[in-house]
Amino acid sequence: DAKTTQPPSMDCAEGRAANLPCNHSTISGNEYVYWYRQIHSQGPQYIIHGLKNNETNEMASLIITEDRKSSTLILPHATLRDTAVYYCIVRVAINYGGSQGNLIFGKGTKLSVKP
Amino acid sequence: DAGVTQSPTHLIKTRGQQVTLRCSPKSGHDTVSWYQQALGQGPQFIFQYYEEEERQRGNFPDRFSGHQFPNYSSELNVNALLLGDSALYLCASNDRRLAAYNEQFFGPGTRLTVL
Repeated sequence: DAKTTQPPSMDCAEGRAANLPCNHSTISGNEYVYWYRQIHSQGPQYIIHGLKNNETNEMASLIITEDRKSSTLILPHATLRDTAVYYCIVRVAINYGGSQGNLIFGKGTKLSVKP
Repeated sequence: DAGVTQSPTHLIKTRGQQVTLRCSPKSGHDTVSWYQQALGQGPQFIFQYYEEEERQRGNFPDRFSGHQFPNYSSELNVNALLLGDSALYLCASNDRRLAAYNEQFFGPGTRLTVL
């Protein structure tokens, strides 16, 4: 079973920030938080990941609470193309050159960006 | 730089038949993972290959088997197809020689329908 809990759906107005929450209360100290999204009829796409510090890249920002039991993915200016299912995943870091752990997906949050 | 490619795009089979799906990883990647995604669900991990061997396996029966070739491409074989095998089959690749937290890149998937 997935180790994360996400709301099944959310709406966001185009141009506004989309804040997607994720609960991972049983996360271990060596587990990262990853976010992927899946646009309809496509494969999942990596967005961002983090361990304990907040992270930002060209797609999004990731805010992780101090106790690491929850996080929020922020899309600062949502567009219609951001409509997708967003998956929050926790995953243990693998030693360099070792076996890459598989991703355990839940059902994710279906984000609908509306004009 | 080509991303992950999969063939065929769509496939229709009947119960009891066998099917082979193919995946070419992103250039420079040596590890291939396969996932099954039923309608309305998140992807479920089937298995992972690197150095031409199966390294990890999810909770799937032996009817699901795979292979990795010296050029890192991979095949997923499913024998004795059941109606419940109808799903989107996703291939993901990564370079396990990079940092431990590197993301997996997904292909567009093969839609398998079993009648």
